[in-house]
Amino acid sequence: AQSVTQLDSQVPVFEEAPVELRCNYSSSVSVYLFWYVQYPNQGLQLLLKYLSGSTLVKGINGFEAEFNKSQTSFHLRKPSVHISDTAEYFCAVSISGGSYIPTFGRGTSLIVHP
Amino acid sequence: DSGVTQTPKHLITATGQRVTLRCSPRSGDLSVYWYQQSLDQGLQFLIHYYNGEERAKGNILERFSAQQFPDLHSELNLSSLELGDSALYFCASSVAGNQGASYGYTFGSGTRLTVV
Repeated sequence: AQSVTQLDSQVPVFEEAPVELRCNYSSSVSVYLFWYVQYPNQGLQLLLKYLSGSTLVKGINGFEAEFNKSQTSFHLRKPSVHISDTAEYFCAVSISGGSYIPTFGRGTSLIVHP
Repeated sequence: DSGVTQTPKHLITATGQRVTLRCSPRSGDLSVYWYQQSLDQGLQFLIHYYNGEERAKGNILERFSAQQFPDLHSELNLSSLELGDSALYFCASSVAGNQGASYGYTFGSGTRLTVV
């Protein structure tokens, strides 16, 4: 079965600074990878996804992520964060062509300070 | 508004009671997924329905059950409630069945259940 590890439970950063949220997965087969964002008192919203092809994936709100197969990682990045990016971010992985239900990481709380 | 509607938003009930959570998927989506989110367990998959049929079960307790009706809305029934069942319950929908994961989910805003 697949598993997901989000290495940081909390990431504080100042506004306009770059940020990277780390995600590593464990799977012996090909995977689909996702990042979701959860704002306070809301459901999760899909930020971006990797299915195949280019390893650099661009999403909404200026976020991007890079799939690194050799390091089994899918880190999320943004070059300049805003206060409004303060939220919980979840990485998820599912098996392509197999058990399709995604496994979610425990989440990383991004806290953007003015 | 994501298009996935969950009711009620908040629910407070006593131990031993039974509650029903309701979810209406986004227009055109045939799949409904239920998740439980708690501080200690994170986001846990409970069950998946596609066009009225159960497709997959995750970490769902025997005290919990779900169904999807012909109009595609779904209900999650939780019975003999325990303090540990207090959590956020999310419904998500996707356009397809097994391939739905590749499109990503659309989540509702959740039902916060508090068992006292």
